[in-house]
Amino acid sequence: SAVISQKPSRDICQRGTSLTIQCQVDSQVTMMFWYRQQPGQSLTLIATANQGSEATYESGFVIDKFPISRPNLTFSTLTVSNMSPEDSSIYLCSVEVGGIQYFGAGTRLSVL
Amino acid sequence: EDQVTQSPEALRLQEGESSSLNCSYTVSGLRGLFWYRQDPGKGPEFLFTLYSAGEEKEKERLKATLTKKESFLHITAPKPEDSATYLCAVQGSKTSYDKVIFGPGTSLSVIP
Repeated sequence: SAVISQKPSRDICQRGTSLTIQCQVDSQVTMMFWYRQQPGQSLTLIATANQGSEATYESGFVIDKFPISRPNLTFSTLTVSNMSPEDSSIYLCSVEVGGIQYFGAGTRLSVL
Repeated sequence: EDQVTQSPEALRLQEGESSSLNCSYTVSGLRGLFWYRQDPGKGPEFLFTLYSAGEEKEKERLKATLTKKESFLHITAPKPEDSATYLCAVQGSKTSYDKVIFGPGTSLSVIP
């Protein structure tokens, strides 16, 4: 398994600003995943991040809006840029260990 | 296109009243089907992985089964602490990375 820590756990932000979410894992992993969970809905994959390469974004998500860094095998960040109220969601970091994805507790973002 | 649906959307049970949750999927080459439990304000917690039709897994009051088109999560004599949203997810073999597609979830409430 894996233990994943996310920061911050929640934040309230103003429209037009940016927020960077941090994800720390207790072991080295090849791939890290970032998901969005909008209110009352299931998880949607934003992007997959490999260490040392550009992140792979899913349809509907772009690097300018959601830049991702992956400086080493235990850490990643997701930035939500130029935020609008539509970005209010829970953002979740995930890693795969032994064929199973494990999740952090998520970051609850509210944009005013 | 890979797809996952779940039914019912919500389920209320009396404590001790057994029932089943359904997950129907369409995927090109199933690599794995996953069940997760998600409590409010938390990330998904891994429950089971199933890999081939006919496979079954059990954990306490939960039992997961798999056919070629669907999976069931059977809950025997549920307790109030089983109240949560249960998510089904699939991983297909046609993607070059380990993308997992999540269903919308079933919200389970167990009434004392």
